[in-house]
Amino acid sequence: AQSVSQHNHHVILSEAASLELGCNYSYGGTVNLFWYVQYPGQHLQLLLKYFSGDPLVKGIKGFEAEFIKSKFSFNLRKPSVQWSDTAEYFCAVLYNFNKFYFGSGTKLNVKP
Amino acid sequence: GAGVSQSPSNKVTEKGKDVELRCDPISGHTALYWYRQRLGQGLEFLIYFQGNSAPDKSGLPSDRFSAERTGESVSTLTIQRTQQEDSAVYLCASSPQSRETQYFGPGTRLLVL
Repeated sequence: AQSVSQHNHHVILSEAASLELGCNYSYGGTVNLFWYVQYPGQHLQLLLKYFSGDPLVKGIKGFEAEFIKSKFSFNLRKPSVQWSDTAEYFCAVLYNFNKFYFGSGTKLNVKP
Repeated sequence: GAGVSQSPSNKVTEKGKDVELRCDPISGHTALYWYRQRLGQGLEFLIYFQGNSAPDKSGLPSDRFSAERTGESVSTLTIQRTQQEDSAVYLCASSPQSRETQYFGPGTRLLVL
């Protein structure tokens, strides 16, 4: 069965620090990749997505992610985090245009 | 425009009772998903509707769980004879097509006492 792993469950950073959240997925054919974010008290919303083309994807609020097919990874990055980035981040994979699998989430706490 | 809405936002019930959760997708979205999110865990796929096709029920954890969707509109998730382990946030999402980005509702927080 397909699976998505987020190894960092809880990350604490100071403002201006760089961020990288890991996401690895199991092999399962054609994949489309997503990062979703859930800010405190709000519902899940799309941060960025990769369907095809340039493996370096830029999303909202300065976030980017790189699809590395050989490593089955889609890590999320941001050069300089802000307090307002405090949220929970979910990696998701759509396999074969059929079913979505989500990772368990990473809680990011940015200290001002 | 209006996003995905879910009701109720919170539900407290006693073990053994039935509950019904409702999802109103974005108008025109043909795909609709239900997920369960237990405390501290990721999203667990439950069921997927795509247009008039037969739903993908492969994620439903037991026969106590069922869901219906009327055409391309409202969906209801029913949990019969609720158990304490059913306590979770139940999320609904819709998308224009099955391969498109999902738009999530605010969820229904279910607590089974």
